[in-house]
Amino acid sequence: KAGVTQTPRYLIKTRGQQVTLSCSPISGHRSVSWYQQTPGQGLQFLFEYFSETQRNKGNFPGRFSGRQFSNSRSEMNVSTLELGDSALYLCASSLLTGSTEAFFGQGTRLTVV
Amino acid sequence: GQQVMQIPQYQHVQEGEDFTTYCNSSTTLSNIQWYKQRPGGHPVFLIQLVKSGEVKKQKRLTFQFGEAKKNSSLHITATQTTDVGTYFCAGLSTGGGNKLTFGTGTQLKVEL
Repeated sequence: KAGVTQTPRYLIKTRGQQVTLSCSPISGHRSVSWYQQTPGQGLQFLFEYFSETQRNKGNFPGRFSGRQFSNSRSEMNVSTLELGDSALYLCASSLLTGSTEAFFGQGTRLTVV
Repeated sequence: GQQVMQIPQYQHVQEGEDFTTYCNSSTTLSNIQWYKQRPGGHPVFLIQLVKSGEVKKQKRLTFQFGEAKKNSSLHITATQTTDVGTYFCAGLSTGGGNKLTFGTGTQLKVEL
């Protein structure tokens, strides 16, 4: 079966702009989690959605938001981009959060200039 | 909040040497998962441990879950160049919320 698909793979944005990233989970998976990965901070949890509801949220400012659609596809949005938002954004899908393995997408590499 | 630390942060070994990374949580865990991320890649699930004191093996990899369910380790016997990457543990807290907290990761480099 198809894996987790994230689009776009690469993105360059200017400070102050906003960006929307997309994640299509594995068919049948209802849990989608988002992570920010930077060399210095490792994998930082952003938020998790299950059946269109946000179930958990990490310690990120309100500029970071997300949503999940009825087909389990998820988007995350970052508004008013800052240089420090440059990172690899990873999406992971699973049947049930935490109790089963998470399948990661290839990630979206966001560069803010 | 829950914190998961891993040591060491980096490890360089010669091919054939053993390698161990340790994972410590500030809270008791329901389960712990291990992931491997190759350079330029994304994390890939290796294994999940659930029971106190559990030990699981995958070929040259041995995973342990501590008796108190607050720590875990991954040991690789006779490393190979294919073992290169960053190894992350990820813990699910017993406090509910079903949020996986990833450890800080151990980057392994294997030299010939």
